[in-house]
Amino acid sequence: GIQVEQSPPDLILQEGANSTLRCNFSDSVNNLQWFHQNPWGQLINLFYIPSGTKQNGRLSATTVATERYSLLYISSSQTTDSGVYFCAPRGGSQGNLIFGKGTKLSVKP
Amino acid sequence: SAVISQKPSRDICQRGTSLTIQCQVDSQVTMMFWYRQQPGQSLTLIATANQGSEATYESGFVIDKFPISRPNLTFSTLTVSNMSPEDSSIYLCSVEWTYTDDEQFFGPGTRLTVL
Repeated sequence: GIQVEQSPPDLILQEGANSTLRCNFSDSVNNLQWFHQNPWGQLINLFYIPSGTKQNGRLSATTVATERYSLLYISSSQTTDSGVYFCAPRGGSQGNLIFGKGTKLSVKP
Repeated sequence: SAVISQKPSRDICQRGTSLTIQCQVDSQVTMMFWYRQQPGQSLTLIATANQGSEATYESGFVIDKFPISRPNLTFSTLTVSNMSPEDSSIYLCSVEWTYTDDEQFFGPGTRLTVL
């Protein structure tokens, strides 16, 4: 099945800094989503982005499907951005999402 | 977007017992999934809950351990049977939201601790 690799695994930022999270996947996909899991375990949808670029406030994402990677940009980070960010292409045999191991982000005040 | 609720939100159970988790969606959906997230790990699919037929399980998960019901297009249950401490995890249901572009949304999760 499809393999998903996220980098970096851990990231510590000072409040106000910018960051880029990367997701590589091993096969072509027709759907890819980014999620933020907050410290209470809730998964929050950030982007549905099978290709191209989208922006939502301080966050933006780009997927280059032909090269099998996606990037999540966080600008002017805030402490509330802390948590784990998951990339999940739709590549399972049942139409399910396949999750990477995530990037754990800690934003310090 | 989908509004999904799960019950219970958390529970502490004794080994050898069973727990049934409920998932309710505010609109009819075809695809409903159950995932497990073990402590410090990523999410893994347990099964797809199919309305009117048996669930489809991923390799490593069996119906006797994780029986699933899907009586209609807005509701599903997952039972964790004969629990052991290794079953301590967050269990999440998700739905494919076909009203827009097949985006998948997750419920708030059930945090299970088995003693």
